Amino acid sequence: QQPVQSPQAVILREGEDAVINCSSSKALYSVHWYRQKHGEAPVFLMILLKGGEQKGHEKISASFNEKKQQSSLYLTASQLSYSGTYFCGTESGYSSASKIIFGSGTRLSIRP
Amino acid sequence: NAGVTQTPKFQVLKTGQSMTLQCAQDMNHNSMYWYRQDPGMGLRLIYYSASEGTTDKGEVPNGYNVSRLNKREFSLRLESAAPSQTSVYFCASSEGQGRIYEQYFGPGTRLTVT
Repeated sequence: QQPVQSPQAVILREGEDAVINCSSSKALYSVHWYRQKHGEAPVFLMILLKGGEQKGHEKISASFNEKKQQSSLYLTASQLSYSGTYFCGTESGYSSASKIIFGSGTRLSIRP
Repeated sequence: NAGVTQTPKFQVLKTGQSMTLQCAQDMNHNSMYWYRQDPGMGLRLIYYSASEGTTDKGEVPNGYNVSRLNKREFSLRLESAAPSQTSVYFCASSEGQGRIYEQYFGPGTRLTVT
């Protein structure tokens, strides 16, 4: 089942904060976050694993509530470069056959 | 390093025609993936390959076939294209699956089926 993201779209002024949520109806092993700018390929932002391990590339923070099967991505002091569509992806297990199921995305627009 | 490369960048097909989308990566990754992305939608997994010599179906495999030619290359074939296959196709690779890993995406192939 596809994870559900909220909100579907958000508009911010530069410097404002935003939270993007991702929830699943299934127990999760991991949550992945990617950002895609218009006309470009998705780029990895962060992975959070059950048990607390995580890895991320930028000054972006996220949380993973295993019991609630939810994750949130926190964008603080937003910059124009943060604009794009954010996708969460979820995995329900850890195996060589596991695969990421992506949500439909949250479109973030940053205005000067 | 070029990362993940895809050819062609754009393609227009007529219903019933066949074609192969090519993907190659130079990062020595074991796992490779094919996704499709429809307008305003997320990424849906078509097929993936956890390692050279293995392939598995994803969420939307119908109408597609794949070949993991070697560790570098993973191709996607449409045997008889249909308008419903109009989409942007992304290839991706990663070091593995499970635990900590990130996927690296290619630039995409924009396919239109008329």
